[in-house]
Amino acid sequence: KQEVTQIPAALSVPEGENLVLNCSFTDSAIYNLQWFRQDPGKGLTSLLLIQSSQREQTSGRLNASLDKSSGRSTLYIAASQPGDSATYLCAGNSGYSTLTFGKGTMLLVSP
Amino acid sequence: GAVVSQHPSWVICKSGTSVKIECRSLDFQATTMFWYRQFPKQSLMLMATSNEGSKATYEQGVEKDKFLINHASLTLSTLTVTSAHPEDSSFYICSARDLGASGRWDTQYFGPGTRLTVL
Repeated sequence: KQEVTQIPAALSVPEGENLVLNCSFTDSAIYNLQWFRQDPGKGLTSLLLIQSSQREQTSGRLNASLDKSSGRSTLYIAASQPGDSATYLCAGNSGYSTLTFGKGTMLLVSP
Repeated sequence: GAVVSQHPSWVICKSGTSVKIECRSLDFQATTMFWYRQFPKQSLMLMATSNEGSKATYEQGVEKDKFLINHASLTLSTLTVTSAHPEDSSFYICSARDLGASGRWDTQYFGPGTRLTVL
């Protein structure tokens, strides 16, 4: 069964910094790796989806990478802004199974 | 893009009552929907997988008689929390898998969640 771990659990940075969020998973036969954003008391917003045949995906200031051999994914946020403050969740699935979520990284970007 | 809605967005009820939460896929058909529960500062935990026209598959430790799931159509799944108690208070999120022609057959789209508070 897929297990997903995210570190750090919380991160506080000043505005403008580039930062990296880490995600590790146990089953290298991962099919999809997905990064979500969750604002307090809200649902999930899908940020980036990396399929098993891909190594990275980019959207604006966000870049996500996937290394199946090492069981890791990273989410890179460039030039962070206070509006980026949220909890970032990493989730993966193997084959046709549902997504398994990590516990998330709570990000605070201060002005 | 694909949109999933949930209703209600929040509900407060007395202990012992039942609460129904609806999950709808608005612009696509979803033969499979998922129900998750999220406690404060915790991640999403899968409760059950709902398949249209058949019985739901529950994860270990989830009481199927307490959390009734019905997936009567390709666009609607409901979760009923029966005889709710304060420990059932949580954030419930559904997702739907789009098996349409987009090519991203395995993408799950998430609803906005329902906050349940049981007094």
